[in-house]
Amino acid sequence: AQTVTQSQPEMSVQEAETVTLSCTYDTSESDYYLFWYKQPPSRQMILVIRQEAYKQQNATENRFSVNFQKAAKSFSLKISDSQLGDAAMYFCAYRSLNAGGTSYGKLTFGQGTILTVHP
Amino acid sequence: DADVTQTPRNRITKTGKRIMLECSQTKGHDRMYWYRQDPGLGLRLIYYSFDVKDINKGEISDGYSVSRQAQAKFSLSLESAIPNQTALYFCATSDPLARADTQYFGPGTRLTVL
Repeated sequence: AQTVTQSQPEMSVQEAETVTLSCTYDTSESDYYLFWYKQPPSRQMILVIRQEAYKQQNATENRFSVNFQKAAKSFSLKISDSQLGDAAMYFCAYRSLNAGGTSYGKLTFGQGTILTVHP
Repeated sequence: DADVTQTPRNRITKTGKRIMLECSQTKGHDRMYWYRQDPGLGLRLIYYSFDVKDINKGEISDGYSVSRQAQAKFSLSLESAIPNQTALYFCATSDPLARADTQYFGPGTRLTVL
């Protein structure tokens, strides 16, 4: 079974600065998807960014980008020009593509990282 | 209007009561999921359904049951609620033909079992 680890329970950043959230995962599969979701105090789970493992190019979405290191099984999220509205819990998630496996169809989540943005 | 809705948004109940949480979606997605969130554990999958006639157990299905009444509706039931089922419950949907089969979440239901 796959596991996802977020080793930083909490992080903080000054407004307008850059912060990187870490995520590592364990899998024996070669093809999969990776995601970052944001959960603000409203508790809504919001998709931030997604990465297909077969793509070498790192995904970017405006101020959000990832550093995908497939060999190292690492998938970090970089937030540039941090804003007060970025304050939230951030979850890294793995999606198996193995249709015959027990993990097919589900997202496996990390424990989350609470991000605080200081004005 | 929200694409994925959940009712109720908050519920307090007592041990032994039967509870149903409902999820509806207007996204037209075939796949629907139920997760629960506990502090420090992220989200864990309870049940999922890839179409109206398909129901699959997730990693923590004990104590729960589901019903897929239509493509747009997927309900989660707790037949006899117990305190350790106190959690935040999320419904999600996805389209396997869309990029990365991305799952989109409802607003969540906060359930407290006394």
